[in-house]
Amino acid sequence: AQSVSQHNHHVILSEAASLELGCNYSYGGTVNLFWYVQYPGQHLQLLLKYFSGDPLVKGIKGFEAEFIKSKFSFNLRKPSVQWSDTAEYFCAVTAGDYKLSFGAGTTVTVRA
Amino acid sequence: DTGVSQDPRHKITKRGQNVTFRCDPISEHNRLYWYRQTLGQGPEFLTYFQNEAQLEKSRLLSDRFSAERPKGSFSTLEIQRTEQGDSAMYLCASSLGTGMNTEAFFGQGTRLTVV
Repeated sequence: AQSVSQHNHHVILSEAASLELGCNYSYGGTVNLFWYVQYPGQHLQLLLKYFSGDPLVKGIKGFEAEFIKSKFSFNLRKPSVQWSDTAEYFCAVTAGDYKLSFGAGTTVTVRA
Repeated sequence: DTGVSQDPRHKITKRGQNVTFRCDPISEHNRLYWYRQTLGQGPEFLTYFQNEAQLEKSRLLSDRFSAERPKGSFSTLEIQRTEQGDSAMYLCASSLGTGMNTEAFFGQGTRLTVV
């Protein structure tokens, strides 16, 4: 079974700092990759997804992610965070089926 | 709001009782999924429906758990003889399509506490 690893459990940074969250997966075949965000008290929302094509994917709210197949990675980035980016971020993978396999999540706290 | 809705949002029950949760997917979404999330973990897949057919169940779904989607629209998840280990957030998601490249939309979840 595939697994998804998120490198950081909790990240604290100041407004305007750059953010990068690591995600690695273990499945060797064709994968679809996702980043979901969960703001406090809200449901999981899709930030961005990769199915095929350009490995640099742009999502909502200024987020982007890069798929590096050779490294089995799909890291999330944002050049300049805002206080409103405080949330929990989940990397997820589907591998030849419909089931999402999620990482454990990274809590991001942005200090004003 | 035309997103995925779940009811109830919170449920506290005594050990040994049965509970049932409801999920209303986005209208016309043919796929429906149940996930379970415990503290500090990402959601874990429980089961999946395509229209009214339950196509896959995780090994996490013990015999005490049953899910239905009788008319291919809303779904229910029932837990019989609840145990403290069942305490978790139960998430429902839905998606549209027949291929692999689909995006799942999640509801706000039902938080179950077994005391």
